[in-house]
Parts: sequence; C-alpha cells; structure tokens
Amino acid sequence: DIVMTQTPLSSPVALGQPASISCRSSQSLVHSDGNTYLSWFQQRPGQPPRLLIYKISSRFSGVPDRFSGSGAGTDFTLKISRVEADDVGVYYCMQATHFPSFGQGTRLEIK
Amino acid sequence: EVQLVESGGGLVQPGGSLRLSCAASGFSFSSYDMNWVRQAPGKRLEWISYVTTSGSSTHYADSVKGRFTISRDNGKNSLYLQMDSLRAEDTAVYYCATTGGGGLNFCYWGQGILVTVSS
Repeated sequence: DIVMTQTPLSSPVALGQPASISCRSSQSLVHSDGNTYLSWFQQRPGQPPRLLIYKISSRFSGVPDRFSGSGAGTDFTLKISRVEADDVGVYYCMQATHFPSFGQGTRLEIK
Repeated sequence: EVQLVESGGGLVQPGGSLRLSCAASGFSFSSYDMNWVRQAPGKRLEWISYVTTSGSSTHYADSVKGRFTISRDNGKNSLYLQMDSLRAEDTAVYYCATTGGGGLNFCYWGQGILVTVSS
C-alpha cells in the first residue's frame, strides 16, 4: 500500500499571506502510462471533500488560480498564493496511480 | 448541476448488514467509474471500493474485501454498497464519488451518509 504523508499537520496563516502544504508518497507515483495521478482536495467543516488539483498541477473546474500544485515522483506541494477566509478547512493529498490512498490531512486556519 | 445523494445509513449492530445507495443526477452517470470512500471520526479519508462504468470490474480495499459488495444500475443512475458482517471499525461517514477520464479521480462527491456500528 502507498502511504501518503503530509506536512505540516496544522498551518496557521494570516489573511493575504501564502500557504504551502507538502505531501510525500512511500513509492513513486509515476504510472505506467506516464501520468502521475496525484490530487489535492479541500474539505471545509461539515462538507464533503472538493477536488482542487489533479495530475499534480491541473486545476479542476471553478478552482481559483490562487491554488497551484507542483512536484514529481514522490514529493508534491500545494500552494495558496494569498489565503482568504474561505480557505479554512482540511487539505488532503491523494494518489490514484495505485489503489487510491489519502494523506492524513493538513488543517489550514487563519492566524 | 451534478448531484450525488447517499441514503441507507444508520445504526446497525456488529455483524449486521446495511445497503447504501447513491442517486446520481445532472451528468451522464453511465460514463463515469464510481467509488465509495469513507471517513471515520477524526481519521483520514479511506477509499474502499471502485466499479467501472459497466459494472463489469470492481476493486476493494483489504479492509472491506469479502464483506462489502459494490454494484451499479445505470438504468436507475444509482450506485450501491452492500455491507455485510459489519464491525465497529466500519463506523464512518460514507461518500460516493465519481472518477472521470483524464485523471479526474474523485471529481464529484456526495454529501455523505453516516453509518454507526454499535450494540
């Protein structure tokens, strides 16, 4: 099984400031088809997860360009360029190169 | 508007059974692979099952293999999860979620339904 590890587990950020979340996988996420199926999700309190980023860096429909993803192989990063109040919640990375698995989540809060 | 609505959750005793349903609307259900994902209280999300568009191929996490069965009815735009031999550790919010082409895994989610396994 692929283990996904996120850091930090909690991230207090001031409004308007950038935020960054890291995700590391226990094995390479490069699929035999050449793609890397690494996604990022946002889960606001009391809501289901929402897809933000797929295939490392592609933004899903309706996702603001403040959100960006990067990385390769086993190390990936989600960045929020300017945090807004609406961004509060838990962020998860997920790999689907193998049977899907999620990171443990990073709680983003406003400082 | 894409909508996924889960139903069938509730309280069940250990060893009991439940059948979850997920009603889809607002998109071409038969064109999407489907998943069930669960989230136990205070725990990370856990993928538990997947079914292809036709229903001909299914996959399960080891934690539920042999106890849970995923199925779908494209004529009714519905996804199902038959859960047997339930254990306390199956207590969680259960979500259905779509998988589209082009790496769009888990692109749409239902609101979730709570399953509680307790005596």
